[in-house]
Amino acid sequence: GENVEQHPSTLSVQEGDSAVIKCTYSDSASNYFPWYKQELGKRPQLIIDIRSNVGEKKDQRIAVTLNKTAKHFSLHITETQPEDSAVYFCAASGSNQFYFGTGTSLTVIP
Amino acid sequence: DGGITQSPKYLFRKEGQNVTLSCEQNLNHDAMYWYRQDPGQGLRLIYYSQIVNDFQKGDIAEGYSVSREKKESFPLTVTSAQKNPTAFYLCASSLGRQGTGAFFGQGTRLTVV
Repeated sequence: GENVEQHPSTLSVQEGDSAVIKCTYSDSASNYFPWYKQELGKRPQLIIDIRSNVGEKKDQRIAVTLNKTAKHFSLHITETQPEDSAVYFCAASGSNQFYFGTGTSLTVIP
Repeated sequence: DGGITQSPKYLFRKEGQNVTLSCEQNLNHDAMYWYRQDPGQGLRLIYYSQIVNDFQKGDIAEGYSVSREKKESFPLTVTSAQKNPTAFYLCASSLGRQGTGAFFGQGTRLTVV
């Protein structure tokens, strides 16, 4: 089956700086890569996604890039704000199953 | 928000008891999933169902059971055979088509007392 690795496990940045979270996947059949944000005690929420026929996607301060050849994808958050502090999960999907990374705990320091 | 509802939010279970966690969605999604989340860990798949009356085991199905009698409902039973059931349980649903995301319920925190 699919194996998704996510790095780093924790990340601290100063408010206004950028944050980058990286994931790799193993199954070349995976073709859909969503990212989720989970605040403490709450449900994961889909924040952005990318399909395998696209190399990059942006939505305001967040962007995701995908390198199919290298089997890795990344989440970029610019101009970070304290409310960006949360756990972020990447996922890979190819057959209606979702395989999740182990999460990155992002702390934005005011 | 979300259209997918889990209940209860908190659940306490005595050792040796079975408990059932409810998950209902009104999104007309075909696929439904159950994940377990432990502190500091990712989401591990327990069971999933792509269609009514059909479901498959995920990576950690031992000690759990599910049913999918209706499209809207996918209850999870944590049996006494599950050795370490204390965790945060998340239900999710998706359209079931490739390239569409999963949406999560608010979770049930199960504690064995």
